[in-house]
Amino acid sequence: SAVISQKPSRDICQRGTSLTIQCQVDSQVTMMFWYRQQPGQSLTLIATANQGSEATYESGFVIDKFPISRPNLTFSTLTVSNMSPEDSSIYLCSVVEDLLKTEAFFGQGTRLTVV
Amino acid sequence: DAKTTQPNSMESNEEEPVHLPCNHSTISGTDYIHWYRQLPSQGPEYVIHGLTSNVNNRMASLAIAEDRKSSTLILHRATLRDAAVYYCILRDLNTGNQFYFGTGTSLTVIP
Repeated sequence: SAVISQKPSRDICQRGTSLTIQCQVDSQVTMMFWYRQQPGQSLTLIATANQGSEATYESGFVIDKFPISRPNLTFSTLTVSNMSPEDSSIYLCSVVEDLLKTEAFFGQGTRLTVV
Repeated sequence: DAKTTQPNSMESNEEEPVHLPCNHSTISGTDYIHWYRQLPSQGPEYVIHGLTSNVNNRMASLAIAEDRKSSTLILHRATLRDAAVYYCILRDLNTGNQFYFGTGTSLTVIP
């Protein structure tokens, strides 16, 4: 099973700044996803990180606010730009190893607080 | 994406079986039924999945209705470690590998 490392695990940031979250997987994976989990809520899919091309964003999420990179099959970053207190959430990275496997693996998440 | 409906919360006594229901009346023929759970302060973890037939693994059993419009996750003997939010998710491999989470059921296990 894939092991996911997310950094940082938590951060407190000033409004108006940006934070980049890293997701490192211990093996090559086909698909990588980014989720947001607001306090007391379920997970909301932000985007699918595509290797070597622009991420595919879900409705309500835009590249200017959440730029995503995926330079290879084991690494991705999510940036939360121009932060406001409403961006305070847990951000999670998720992977699917290959298209024949149905199980998704999740990182422990990055707990972001914007003040 | 086909939606699921789950009770917001359930309680169970320790060492007793737990039946967590999920309704998915708009399920399509190519939707797989997945269950994940999220323990406090952790990312979700896979529990079980199925298409049409009932499934068993070391963690749980999945009972799928004949018309596939509902399913039940069965924990045979609840432990305190099973206290978590359980998510029932429909996933269509033909349209992508994304998982869209619903609201889930928060399970409380009473000692």
